[in-house]
Formats: sequence, C-alpha cells, structure tokens
Amino acid sequence: RKEVEQDPGPFNVPEGATVAFNCTYSNSASQSFFWYRQDCRKEPKLLMSVYSSGNEDGRFTAQLNRASQYISLLIRDSKLSDSATYLCGPMNNNAGNMLTFGGGTRLMVKP
Amino acid sequence: NAGVTQTPKFRILKIGQSMTLQCTQDMNHNYMYWYRQDPGMGLKLIYYSVGAGITDKGEVPNGYNVSRSTTEDFPLRLELAAPSQTSVYFCASSRTGNQPQHFGDGTRLSIL
Repeated sequence: RKEVEQDPGPFNVPEGATVAFNCTYSNSASQSFFWYRQDCRKEPKLLMSVYSSGNEDGRFTAQLNRASQYISLLIRDSKLSDSATYLCGPMNNNAGNMLTFGGGTRLMVKP
Repeated sequence: NAGVTQTPKFRILKIGQSMTLQCTQDMNHNYMYWYRQDPGMGLKLIYYSVGAGITDKGEVPNGYNVSRSTTEDFPLRLELAAPSQTSVYFCASSRTGNQPQHFGDGTRLSIL
C-alpha cells in the first residue's frame, strides 16, 4: 500500500457545485497534514494546513479522520478558478518527519 | 520577498552531460528538499536536508547528488544525464519537518 493515496480524477463539476476529495494515509503516527494546490506547469502552493480535527477557510473545509486514516477537502460553490490539481501531504514519521505527497486529484470546473 | 529561487528555469542537456540545478532560500529554513515531477504524475522526493552539512536520500536518489554547505543553498547535481531524468525539478524548504513546504517555481529539464 502506498503511504499516501489519492483518486487521480479528473473530477468534472459544474460551477457552483460542491466537491470533495479524500486522501488516505498509511502511517498512523502522522501528525500534521496539508493540502496544496498545483496549477498546470506551476509549483505546488499551500492551500490549507490541517493540524487537529480540521479547519475551514472560506469555501474550503478540510477534515481529518484519524480512526480511518484519511483527510478530506471540501470545496463549496466551485469556481472556474478552482480548476487545478490538489495534493495532500501528511507527515511521515518513518522518514525523519518527512512529508510524503499523494499523487494529486485533478479538478476541472466547467461553466 | 524572494522565498525559494531556482535556476535555471529551463535546460536541455545531451545524454552523458552533467549539470547542477541551483536552489537558494532566504527564509532561514532548516529543511530543504528536491523533488522531481514527471508529466501527469505526483512529486517524488530525491534528496532532503534537515540542516547545513546534513543530507539524506529520498525515494528516487539514483543518478543525483546534493550538498548543503550553507543554510541557504541546496544544489542538485546530475553527473551523467540520462533520458529518464527528463522531468520538472522542484526545490522546497520548510522551517521544520512539521511545517508546510514552500516551493520554487521549478526547473524544466530535457535530456536528449
């Protein structure tokens, strides 16, 4: 099993829709979790940090489920500009607190 | 407000050539990383460093070398370029291993 797994998508949704992605992780010792956004041919940029049970930032909500070892990202009222790849990055304590990234989930918001 | 700076942005190499990808950060971060990203794929960790003088292998270190003589700089060396090393290379840094990473804007490398 991969350390971090994500559905690669693409998720095709209309503008205004609500969409959610999950990210499962295998290392139960992982403590910190992050969601990054990556636009085509650009570098990943931090979207949200998830340090405890979850947090919310405007249209974006991140949740952590430690029992089932996954984090989720919910996007409400999708905009065309939300089209991107979303990477999750749990912390991997087996490698000296290294972050291991998932392969990313691609979101395409259509008019 | 530079953050993480990578040079060059683009490079074409011939098979067997060598080159160094430069990475520097001005945030006084202890941790630095090198990733490669092949088209349509995720990030793969090549090497990382937890501080000056300390480096360690990531998931895909073969064919690469790194050094960390200062906190700011973390160059990545390709000794004998191979077509399989054609990729986009990202350098990143973080204050600690628990903090989010800040990425440079990448180096696009083609080996022909």
